[in-house]
Amino acid sequence: KQEVTQIPAALSVPEGENLVLNCSFTDSAIYNLQWFRQDPGKGLTSLLLIQSSQREQTSGRLNASLDKSSGRSTLYIAASQPGDSATYLCAVANTGGFKTIFGAGTRLFVKA
Amino acid sequence: DGGITQSPKYLFRKEGQNVTLSCEQNLNHDAMYWYRQDPGQGLRLIYYSQIVNDFQKGDIAEGYSVSREKKESFPLTVTSAQKNPTAFYLCASSSQGSYNSPLHFGNGTRLTVT
Repeated sequence: KQEVTQIPAALSVPEGENLVLNCSFTDSAIYNLQWFRQDPGKGLTSLLLIQSSQREQTSGRLNASLDKSSGRSTLYIAASQPGDSATYLCAVANTGGFKTIFGAGTRLFVKA
Repeated sequence: DGGITQSPKYLFRKEGQNVTLSCEQNLNHDAMYWYRQDPGQGLRLIYYSQIVNDFQKGDIAEGYSVSREKKESFPLTVTSAQKNPTAFYLCASSSQGSYNSPLHFGNGTRLTVT
Protein backbone atom coordinates (compact mmCIF):
# COMPACT_ATOMS: atom_id res chain seq x y z
CA LYS A 1 0.00 0.00 0.00
CA GLN A 2 1.39 3.37 -1.07
CA GLU A 3 2.29 5.72 1.75
CA VAL A 4 3.47 9.30 1.34
CA THR A 5 5.43 11.11 4.05
CA GLN A 6 6.41 14.76 4.18
CA ILE A 7 9.16 16.17 6.35
CA PRO A 8 9.21 18.57 8.10
CA ALA A 9 5.60 19.00 9.20
CA ALA A 10 6.20 22.72 9.70
CA LEU A 11 8.91 25.16 8.72
CA SER A 12 9.56 28.82 9.51
CA VAL A 13 12.17 30.76 7.52
CA PRO A 14 13.13 34.42 7.04
CA GLU A 15 12.23 36.12 3.79
CA GLY A 16 14.75 35.59 0.99
CA GLU A 17 15.93 32.18 2.10
CA ASN A 18 16.11 29.26 -0.30
CA LEU A 19 14.40 26.17 1.08
CA VAL A 20 13.70 22.52 0.36
CA LEU A 21 10.61 20.52 1.21
CA ASN A 22 10.87 16.75 1.25
CA CYS A 23 8.48 14.01 0.19
CA SER A 24 9.00 10.25 0.32
CA PHE A 25 6.84 7.42 -0.96
CA THR A 26 6.98 3.68 -0.39
CA ASP A 27 6.00 2.23 -3.80
CA SER A 28 8.10 3.35 -6.77
CA ALA A 29 5.49 2.17 -9.32
CA ILE A 30 3.95 5.59 -9.75
CA TYR A 31 2.38 7.35 -12.72
CA ASN A 32 3.19 10.84 -11.60
CA LEU A 33 3.95 13.00 -8.60
CA GLN A 34 2.34 16.34 -7.95
CA TRP A 35 3.08 19.22 -5.63
CA PHE A 36 0.19 21.37 -4.44
CA ARG A 37 -0.22 24.52 -2.41
CA GLN A 38 -3.11 24.99 0.02
CA ASP A 39 -4.00 28.26 1.70
CA PRO A 40 -6.02 28.12 4.95
CA GLY A 41 -9.63 27.10 4.38
CA LYS A 42 -9.13 26.78 0.63
CA GLY A 43 -8.77 24.07 -1.97
CA LEU A 44 -5.51 22.87 -3.46
CA THR A 45 -3.67 24.57 -6.29
CA SER A 46 -1.43 22.44 -8.50
CA LEU A 47 2.14 23.75 -8.62
CA LEU A 48 4.09 21.12 -10.52
CA LEU A 49 3.45 17.68 -11.98
CA ILE A 50 6.31 15.29 -12.71
CA GLN A 51 5.52 12.31 -14.88
CA SER A 52 7.14 9.01 -13.90
CA SER A 53 9.58 9.22 -16.82
CA GLN A 54 10.77 12.71 -15.85
CA ARG A 55 13.40 13.78 -13.30
CA GLU A 56 12.32 17.35 -12.60
CA GLN A 57 9.99 20.20 -13.43
CA THR A 58 10.44 23.94 -12.99
CA SER A 59 8.02 26.82 -12.73
CA GLY A 60 9.33 30.25 -11.82
CA ARG A 61 11.01 30.07 -8.40
CA LEU A 62 9.89 26.47 -7.92
CA ASN A 63 11.79 23.35 -8.90
CA ALA A 64 10.62 19.82 -8.14
CA SER A 65 12.74 16.71 -8.54
CA LEU A 66 11.79 13.05 -8.63
CA ASP A 67 13.94 10.02 -7.83
CA LYS A 68 11.72 6.96 -8.20
CA SER A 69 14.43 4.47 -7.25
CA SER A 70 14.82 6.02 -3.81
CA GLY A 71 11.17 6.98 -3.47
CA ARG A 72 11.87 10.67 -2.98
CA SER A 73 10.89 14.05 -4.31
CA THR A 74 11.97 17.52 -3.27
CA LEU A 75 10.37 20.91 -3.84
CA TYR A 76 12.91 23.71 -3.97
CA ILE A 77 11.67 27.26 -3.42
CA ALA A 78 14.13 30.00 -4.29
CA ALA A 79 14.20 33.42 -2.65
CA SER A 80 11.17 32.78 -0.43
CA GLN A 81 8.57 35.52 0.07
CA PRO A 82 5.87 36.05 2.73
CA GLY A 83 3.31 35.23 0.03
CA ASP A 84 4.75 31.73 -0.15
CA SER A 85 3.36 31.01 3.32
CA ALA A 86 0.96 28.09 2.92
CA THR A 87 0.77 24.33 3.30
CA TYR A 88 2.54 22.36 0.57
CA LEU A 89 1.29 18.87 -0.21
CA CYS A 90 2.95 16.12 -2.18
CA ALA A 91 0.83 13.47 -3.91
CA VAL A 92 1.56 10.39 -6.00
CA ALA A 93 -0.73 8.74 -8.54
CA ASN A 94 -0.43 4.99 -8.65
CA THR A 95 -0.79 2.62 -11.59
CA GLY A 96 -3.99 3.45 -13.45
CA GLY A 97 -3.69 7.09 -12.46
CA PHE A 98 -7.03 7.46 -10.74
CA LYS A 99 -5.94 6.94 -7.16
CA THR A 100 -3.76 9.76 -5.90
CA ILE A 101 -2.28 9.38 -2.43
CA PHE A 102 -1.46 12.54 -0.48
CA GLY A 103 1.07 13.34 2.19
CA ALA A 104 -0.02 15.30 5.26
CA GLY A 105 1.78 18.41 4.04
CA THR A 106 4.45 20.84 5.22
CA ARG A 107 3.18 24.08 6.71
CA LEU A 108 5.52 26.88 5.60
CA PHE A 109 5.75 30.30 7.22
CA VAL A 110 7.98 32.93 5.63
CA LYS A 111 8.73 35.83 7.96
CA ALA A 112 9.03 39.34 6.54
CA ASP B 1 -13.17 31.15 -16.28
CA GLY B 2 -13.14 27.38 -16.08
CA GLY B 3 -13.13 25.77 -12.69
CA ILE B 4 -14.80 23.67 -10.04
CA THR B 5 -17.59 25.04 -7.88
CA GLN B 6 -18.43 23.47 -4.56
CA SER B 7 -21.44 24.54 -2.56
CA PRO B 8 -22.17 25.41 0.11
CA LYS B 9 -18.92 26.61 1.65
CA TYR B 10 -20.15 25.79 5.17
CA LEU B 11 -22.77 23.21 6.10
CA PHE B 12 -24.21 22.38 9.50
CA ARG B 13 -26.34 19.31 10.17
CA LYS B 14 -27.72 17.38 13.07
CA GLU B 15 -26.52 13.87 13.70
CA GLY B 16 -28.65 11.27 11.90
CA GLN B 17 -29.44 13.46 8.89
CA ASN B 18 -28.21 12.80 5.37
CA VAL B 19 -26.62 15.74 3.59
CA THR B 20 -25.60 16.28 -0.05
CA LEU B 21 -22.57 18.30 -1.13
CA SER B 22 -22.58 19.80 -4.59
CA CYS B 23 -19.69 19.76 -7.07
CA GLU B 24 -19.90 21.23 -10.57
CA GLN B 25 -17.08 21.62 -13.12
CA ASN B 26 -16.92 23.39 -16.47
CA LEU B 27 -13.46 22.14 -17.44
CA ASN B 28 -14.86 19.35 -19.64
CA HIS B 29 -12.94 16.83 -17.54
CA ASP B 30 -13.89 13.18 -17.69
CA ALA B 31 -12.70 12.21 -14.21
CA MET B 32 -14.01 13.59 -10.92
CA TYR B 33 -13.07 12.82 -7.33
CA TRP B 34 -14.15 13.40 -3.75
CA TYR B 35 -11.59 13.72 -0.98
CA ARG B 36 -11.92 14.22 2.74
CA GLN B 37 -9.37 16.28 4.72
CA ASP B 38 -9.01 16.12 8.50
CA PRO B 39 -6.68 18.35 10.54
CA GLY B 40 -3.05 17.27 10.33
CA GLN B 41 -3.80 14.55 7.79
CA GLY B 42 -3.45 14.23 4.08
CA LEU B 43 -6.42 14.02 1.77
CA ARG B 44 -8.18 10.66 1.65
CA LEU B 45 -10.09 9.45 -1.41
CA ILE B 46 -13.79 8.75 -0.89
CA TYR B 47 -15.08 8.05 -4.41
CA TYR B 48 -13.98 8.70 -7.96
CA SER B 49 -15.64 8.60 -11.36
CA GLN B 50 -13.88 8.08 -14.68
CA ILE B 51 -16.91 8.64 -16.90
CA VAL B 52 -20.61 9.42 -16.69
CA ASN B 53 -22.75 6.75 -15.00
CA ASP B 54 -19.67 5.03 -13.56
CA PHE B 55 -17.91 5.45 -10.22
CA GLN B 56 -15.63 3.48 -7.91
CA LYS B 57 -15.05 3.41 -4.18
CA GLY B 58 -11.94 5.00 -2.82
CA ASP B 59 -10.21 4.21 0.45
CA ILE B 60 -12.91 5.48 2.82
CA ALA B 61 -16.25 5.04 0.98
CA GLU B 62 -18.25 3.65 3.91
CA GLY B 63 -21.11 5.97 4.86
CA TYR B 64 -20.93 7.95 1.61
CA SER B 65 -22.71 7.71 -1.74
CA VAL B 66 -22.29 9.46 -5.10
CA SER B 67 -23.90 9.74 -8.51
CA ARG B 68 -22.56 10.80 -11.91
CA GLU B 69 -25.54 11.46 -14.16
CA LYS B 70 -23.90 14.36 -15.96
CA LYS B 71 -20.28 14.97 -16.94
CA GLU B 72 -20.30 18.30 -15.14
CA SER B 73 -21.72 17.15 -11.82
CA PHE B 74 -20.59 14.73 -9.10
CA PRO B 75 -22.63 15.21 -5.90
CA LEU B 76 -21.61 13.50 -2.66
CA THR B 77 -24.13 12.37 -0.04
CA VAL B 78 -22.92 11.94 3.51
CA THR B 79 -25.30 9.48 5.11
CA SER B 80 -26.17 8.91 8.74
CA ALA B 81 -24.05 5.74 8.56
CA GLN B 82 -20.85 7.81 8.40
CA LYS B 83 -19.55 7.66 11.95
CA ASN B 84 -17.42 10.80 11.94
CA PRO B 85 -18.69 13.09 9.18
CA THR B 86 -17.33 16.41 10.44
CA ALA B 87 -14.51 17.29 8.02
CA PHE B 88 -13.43 19.45 5.08
CA TYR B 89 -14.60 17.92 1.79
CA LEU B 90 -12.81 18.62 -1.47
CA CYS B 91 -13.96 17.86 -4.99
CA ALA B 92 -11.46 17.54 -7.83
CA SER B 93 -11.37 16.77 -11.52
CA SER B 94 -8.82 15.78 -14.12
CA SER B 95 -8.58 14.95 -17.79
CA GLN B 96 -8.19 11.25 -18.65
CA GLY B 97 -7.26 10.25 -15.14
CA SER B 98 -4.29 11.91 -13.50
CA TYR B 99 -1.44 10.45 -15.55
CA ASN B 100 -0.36 13.64 -17.23
CA SER B 101 -3.13 15.94 -16.12
CA PRO B 102 -2.96 17.74 -12.79
CA LEU B 103 -5.84 17.53 -10.37
CA HIS B 104 -7.98 20.68 -10.23
CA PHE B 105 -9.71 21.33 -6.91
CA GLY B 106 -12.71 23.30 -5.76
CA ASN B 107 -12.58 25.46 -2.65
CA GLY B 108 -14.16 22.84 -0.46
CA THR B 109 -17.17 22.44 1.81
CA ARG B 110 -16.68 22.40 5.56
CA LEU B 111 -19.28 20.09 7.09
CA THR B 112 -20.04 20.19 10.80
CA VAL B 113 -22.34 17.58 12.31
CA THR B 114 -23.51 18.00 15.90
